[in-house]
Amino acid sequence: GENVEQHPSTLSVQEGDSAVIKCTYSDSASNYFPWYKQELGKGPQLIIDIRSNVGEKKDQRIAVTLNKTAKHFSLHITETQPEDSAVYFCAAAGRRALTFGSGTRLQVQP
Amino acid sequence: ETGVTQTPRHLVMGMTNKKSLKCEQHLGHNAMYWYKQSAKKPLELMFVYNFKEQTENNSVPSRFSPECPNSSHLFLHLHTLQPEDSALYLCASSQAPTPASGGNGRFFGPGTRLTVL
Repeated sequence: GENVEQHPSTLSVQEGDSAVIKCTYSDSASNYFPWYKQELGKGPQLIIDIRSNVGEKKDQRIAVTLNKTAKHFSLHITETQPEDSAVYFCAAAGRRALTFGSGTRLQVQP
Repeated sequence: ETGVTQTPRHLVMGMTNKKSLKCEQHLGHNAMYWYKQSAKKPLELMFVYNFKEQTENNSVPSRFSPECPNSSHLFLHLHTLQPEDSALYLCASSQAPTPASGGNGRFFGPGTRLTVL
């Protein structure tokens, strides 16, 4: 089955700096890669996604890049703000199920 | 507010109790899911329902029993649980169940925090 690895497990940045979270996947048939943000006391919320026919996608301060050859994808957050502090999950959709990474706890220091 | 509600938000139960978790989605979606979220572990898919029919059971112990009476409601019946079952149980829904179309959970509820004593 699909295996998704996510790094780092924790990330602390200063407000205004950029944050990068990286994921690798194992199933070359995976073709859909969403990212979720989970704030305290809430369920995960989809923040951006990318399909395998696209290499990069942006939405205001967040962007996702995909390297199909290397089987890795990354989340980039620019000009971080304290409200970006949360746990971020990557996921990869393989032949059957959506497999999640183990999460990255992002702390943005004011 | 994602359009997916879960009750109760917190539940404490003993190992001999029987309880049920409820999920309701107001999005007109056809697929609904139960996930388990434990500390320091990835989200685990438990069950998938598509048009009220169970299409996936990820080797979940029988002490967890799902029920989907219609496309808007999903229950998880719990009985004789173990302390290691303590976790956040998340319900999710999506329009399409297939991974390629973004299925297996696009809209999550807030979860039920379950503690088994």
